[in-house]
Amino acid sequence: DAGVTQSPTHLIKTRGQHVTLRCSPISGHKSVSWYQQVLGQGPQFIFQYYEKEERGRGNFPDRFSARQFPNYSSELNVNALLLGDSALYLCASSLEGGLGEQFFGPGTRLTVL
Amino acid sequence: KQEVTQIPAALSVPEGENLVLNCSFTDSAIYNLQWFRQDPGKGLTSLLLIQSSQREQTSGRLNASLDKSSGRSTLYIAASQPGDSATYLCALEYSSASKIIFGSGTRLSIRP
Repeated sequence: DAGVTQSPTHLIKTRGQHVTLRCSPISGHKSVSWYQQVLGQGPQFIFQYYEKEERGRGNFPDRFSARQFPNYSSELNVNALLLGDSALYLCASSLEGGLGEQFFGPGTRLTVL
Repeated sequence: KQEVTQIPAALSVPEGENLVLNCSFTDSAIYNLQWFRQDPGKGLTSLLLIQSSQREQTSGRLNASLDKSSGRSTLYIAASQPGDSATYLCALEYSSASKIIFGSGTRLSIRP
């Protein structure tokens, strides 16, 4: 079985641009969570979606948005990019909502210049 | 405010030693706690999950404990190996806010 996949692997953008990151969960998993990890820190929770509904949201500005599709894949969108948005963006999937048995993808490395 | 702290930030020990990594939290109303391992530039690998009603979980050379009354969890690694070198993170889920909070991690280096 394929694990969680994320695309693209790396991305370089300039300030003010918009970016879309994609995540495909493990087959059968209905929940997807997004995290931002700045170098040297633990991941910061951004969103959790379960059955296409938002179940949780971290302390991120409205420039960050996400959605989950009928096939349970997900997109994270970030508008008006700032230098501080440079980070590793991680996606995790689980069978149900919540932290239990979360499986992480390899991440997307976003660099904002 | 819900905070998760991991001390020390970095640890280096010789191969074969038993070691303990610490995770402390300010709000004990957790739903569950999970320990992860992260290799440089990679995603996270789940090691152990402890439900709120449990006190410990074991997997191979790893043992994780949870003491909600003191706001602490420990990850015990027995007979450490160079392949155990990685950053170890604890994460807590709070059902009251559907929020998941990670510690900043302990960077572990096992010297051959």
